[in-house]
Amino acid sequence: KAGVTQTPRYLIKTRGQQVTLSCSPISGHRSVSWYQQTPGQGLQFLFEYFSETQRNKGNFPGRFSGRQFSNSRSEMNVSTLELGDSALYLCASRDSVSTGELFFGEGSRLTVL
Amino acid sequence: DQQVKQNSPSLSVQEGRISILNCDYTNSMFDYFLWYKKYPAEGPTFLISISSIKDKNEDGRFTVFLNKSAKHLSLHIVPSQPGDSAVYFCAAGTGANNLFFGTGTRLTVIP
Repeated sequence: KAGVTQTPRYLIKTRGQQVTLSCSPISGHRSVSWYQQTPGQGLQFLFEYFSETQRNKGNFPGRFSGRQFSNSRSEMNVSTLELGDSALYLCASRDSVSTGELFFGEGSRLTVL
Repeated sequence: DQQVKQNSPSLSVQEGRISILNCDYTNSMFDYFLWYKKYPAEGPTFLISISSIKDKNEDGRFTVFLNKSAKHLSLHIVPSQPGDSAVYFCAAGTGANNLFFGTGTRLTVIP
């Protein structure tokens, strides 16, 4: 099976712009989660989608949003970018019936100037 | 509010010796725990897990210990190898809900 695929891998934006990141989960996985990784903060949970519905949401401002399509592919959007949004954004998928293991993509490295 | 904490940002160990990575959590409702390993420019990969009904789980050179009363888990790697050099994240969760991750410990195994 192909792994979790994230695009783009790297991108540079300026403050005030918006960005959309894409994630294709492992075939058959219906749950997609998004995490933000910054130095010293570890992986911070953004949100999880299952069957096109948001299941869980972390403590991030409303500028961070996401959605999931009928084919389980997911996108996350960050509007009005701030310097502090510079981070590695990781997408992970899992078998909805399991309780644990997440399969991560390689991430999208966002730099905000 | 960091519900999962890894208080050691880095650890250096000689090849062949034991590596012990520690993790503390605050939420007593967590019922399963995982360790992930992350190399630069790659996503985290699952390493080993343990449910709250156990206090030890072993997989080859990797063993995870869970002390529920202390809300503490640890990962032991024996013997440590240079290829084990990576950032290790512990994670905890409840049922099928989202995982909470620690801040990571960078392990360096010195040849």
